[in-house]
Parts: sequence; structure tokens; C-alpha cells
Amino acid sequence: QKEVEQDPGPLSVPEGAIVSLNCTYSNSAFQYFMWYRQYSRKGPELLMYTYSSGNKEDGRFTAQVDKSSKYISLFIRDSQPSDSATYLCAMSPYNFNKFYFGSGTKLNVKP
Amino acid sequence: DAGITQSPRHKVTETGTPVTLRCHQTENHRYMYWYRQDPGHGLRLIHYSYGVKDTDKGEVSDGYSVSRSKTEDFLLTLESATSSQTSVYFCAIKTDRDRGNEQFFGPGTRLTVL
Repeated sequence: QKEVEQDPGPLSVPEGAIVSLNCTYSNSAFQYFMWYRQYSRKGPELLMYTYSSGNKEDGRFTAQVDKSSKYISLFIRDSQPSDSATYLCAMSPYNFNKFYFGSGTKLNVKP
Repeated sequence: DAGITQSPRHKVTETGTPVTLRCHQTENHRYMYWYRQDPGHGLRLIHYSYGVKDTDKGEVSDGYSVSRSKTEDFLLTLESATSSQTSVYFCAIKTDRDRGNEQFFGPGTRLTVL
């Protein structure tokens, strides 16, 4: 069993839709949660990170962590065609030495 | 982009040949990482370094070795390349705790082993 599970999609939505991306994990030592966006043939870029349970908002993006359920989400409001990319969740234990990634969800936002 | 470069950006090689990929950073970060990315597997850690000459294995280290003789350079070597090592390889750095423990990635090296 992988330590981090993520639905690979692809997920196709119309422009303006609310997008929900999710990951589950099995290791209760994970304390630090991140979301990356990766455009085709590019390196991943950090979108958001959070240390604790609850919500964190940054513009159109909201990251949500539920440690009791070992479940994290990324919500994208008013999705745009430029949001079309692969989204990867990642997690790290408290020592921050290693990062564990989901397999990524490919998102396509149609104009 | 955290000043990370990778070389070469593309390489085609034959089974059994040695291959070395280079990652270079300009900001003196202590932690550096090598990942491979394959369809359906996401990013998998090969090796990482926490200082000059200090390295440790990741989840897919078999067939790979690394070296870090200078803070700015982290080399990944495939001693005898196999077709299963065809992949996209990403280098990353991690900022220190006082700068958020954030991980930033290089542009990637696309390696094909024939």
C-alpha cells in the first residue's frame, strides 16, 4: 500500500467550476502537507502548504487538512483554463527530511 | 525558481552504459534531492543529501548512486543504465526551517535508455 493515495483522474470541468482534489494517507507521522502544480514537461511548483488541520486560503485556492481522517483536499474556485495541469499532493513528517508524493491528478479546465 | 539547474536536459543512452546527471543550485541550501517521475507513480525519492558528503537512500535507490562534494552540486549516477531507468529525473532543494521548509524543483532531465 502506498503511503499517499491520489486519484489520477483525469478530471475535466468547465471554466468557472469549483474543483476538488483529494489525497489520503496512512502514516500518522505526517505533519506537513503541500500541494504542487505541474504543467506539462515542467517541474512541480509549490502552490500551498499547511502544518495543521483546518483550512488555509490563498486567492482562489483553499487547502483543507483533516488529520483525524488522514485526508487532505485542494479546492479551486472559479477555475480557469490556465489551471489545467497535474496537481500533486505531498506530505512530510515532523523532521521534514523526506517528502512523500501522491501520483498526481490531471485536471483539464475547458473554456 | 530557487536557482536550480539540471544538466543535461535530455539524454538518450544505451543499456549498460554509465550515466551521470548533475544538479546545481546557487543559494547554498543544505538539503538536495533526486526524484524520478513515471506515469502512475508520481514522484519517487531516489536519494537525498543533507550536507556535503552526507547522503541517504530514498524508496527507489537500487541501481543509483549519488555524490555531493560541494554544497552547490548533487550528482546522480546510474552505474549501468537499464531500460527500467527510462524516466524524467527531477532535482529539488529544501529551504531551511526559518524559510518555511519549502521544496523547490529543477526543470527536469528526460532520460531514455534504449
